[in-house]
Amino acid sequence: QVHLVESGGGMVQPGRSLRLSCEASGFTFSSYAMHWVRQAPGKGPEWVAVILYDGSNTYYADSVKGRFTISRDNSKNTVFLQMNSLRAEDTAVYYCARAEKIVAAPFDYWGQGTLVTVSS
Amino acid sequence: DIQLTQSPSFLSASVGDRVTVTCRASQGIINYLAWYQQKPGKAPKLLIYAASTLQSGVPSRFSGSGSGTEFTLTISSLQPEDFATYYCQQLTGSLTFGGGTKVEI
Repeated sequence: QVHLVESGGGMVQPGRSLRLSCEASGFTFSSYAMHWVRQAPGKGPEWVAVILYDGSNTYYADSVKGRFTISRDNSKNTVFLQMNSLRAEDTAVYYCARAEKIVAAPFDYWGQGTLVTVSS
Repeated sequence: DIQLTQSPSFLSASVGDRVTVTCRASQGIINYLAWYQQKPGKAPKLLIYAASTLQSGVPSRFSGSGSGTEFTLTISSLQPEDFATYYCQQLTGSLTFGGGTKVEI
């Protein structure tokens, strides 16, 4: 069965960096687009970034463009989110999710999330 | 970016009630809309996609309808496990989510 497990969250000071990982199992990872979605405390989900199944294309929300980078290693069934120049407003639970395509495809499986807290 | 407005933000209901949640898009999105259910401390769970297609394993008491700019999620007979927050998501461009509807007793 499909499993997505995020890791790498924690507390970090503003301006610092953090790298999140999401390890997938139970499906052909290299056939799916992978997304990162975040949810600030008490707020609704916010889409962050997506990477195409082969890593050839990536797209970002305006709020993270230029600071975050999504990548994947299909040999390790893992997607990453490199987060630089972190701000207090980046504090959230970060989820990875899979979809058949970059757009027009729902997020049918999600990980359990990893908490990122940006605070001095 | 396309904005999604959900109403109501909170909904008080009882077991057995018929519940309807509305999601309005700031511009037409054809049927590129999904609905998710989220319980506290858990990830969102996909219920419906393409506005009206039930995800595998989701009970048939959940249904979706609409196209263009107005969409609805209906729970025909609310069960105890349905008390949760529901989000719509548009699946074009910026993949935005609605603000959520919390269904509580």
